[in-house]
Amino acid sequence: EPEVTQTPSHQVTQMGQEVILRCVPISNHLYFYWYRQILGQKVEFLVSFYNNEISEKSEIFDDQFSVERPDGSNFTLKIRSTKLEDSAMYFCASSVSGREYETQYFGPGTRLLVL
Amino acid sequence: AQKITQTQPGMFVQEKEAVTLDCTYDTSDPSYGLFWYKQPSSGEMIFLIYQGSYDQQNATEGRYSLNFQKARKSANLVISASQLGDSAMYFCAMREYPSGGGADGLTFGKGTHLIIQP
Repeated sequence: EPEVTQTPSHQVTQMGQEVILRCVPISNHLYFYWYRQILGQKVEFLVSFYNNEISEKSEIFDDQFSVERPDGSNFTLKIRSTKLEDSAMYFCASSVSGREYETQYFGPGTRLLVL
Repeated sequence: AQKITQTQPGMFVQEKEAVTLDCTYDTSDPSYGLFWYKQPSSGEMIFLIYQGSYDQQNATEGRYSLNFQKARKSANLVISASQLGDSAMYFCAMREYPSGGGADGLTFGKGTHLIIQP
């Protein structure tokens, strides 16, 4: 069964450093998403991406974040200058369409720790 | 105001019993989707079941069913014959009709931590 994959599973970085989180969405899916979950809290939407551009973004997704689809399979989230409060689990998800009835399938997550 | 409310932070249930996890939602859109995800201690998010706002019947997927009461804006998850492996966090989520033409993300509740006891 196809699944979303994410690398790395864990990342530790120093405050102020740049990090890139990588995702490979399900191959026939056209819409891609990033979410984050701060420890013990609910999952929060960051951004959606379609046709090589941002479709929607939340208030959390400020100028320090960027997303890119550098090739036909990978989807990345870059955090330019990490802060302590960026420590969280980051989930990538994908779906066939952007409609409200379409299921989003999540990857296993990348646990980011900023020191 | 919270769009998704899960009022049970934690639940203890005996193995083999049925369990109902509550979820109420708030939207003015006529078209929306409701989803339940399971998050075991390993951290991944596993899709369980979906209910569309226009669906006439309650969704079912194996041991999971969704008690959808549209007028009350509730979408409770029912797990029949609970198993030890059902112990996890359970999140209710909603996706509304894309307002700006884009693909809106899911809005999640705070979750319910379900523990199945032998």
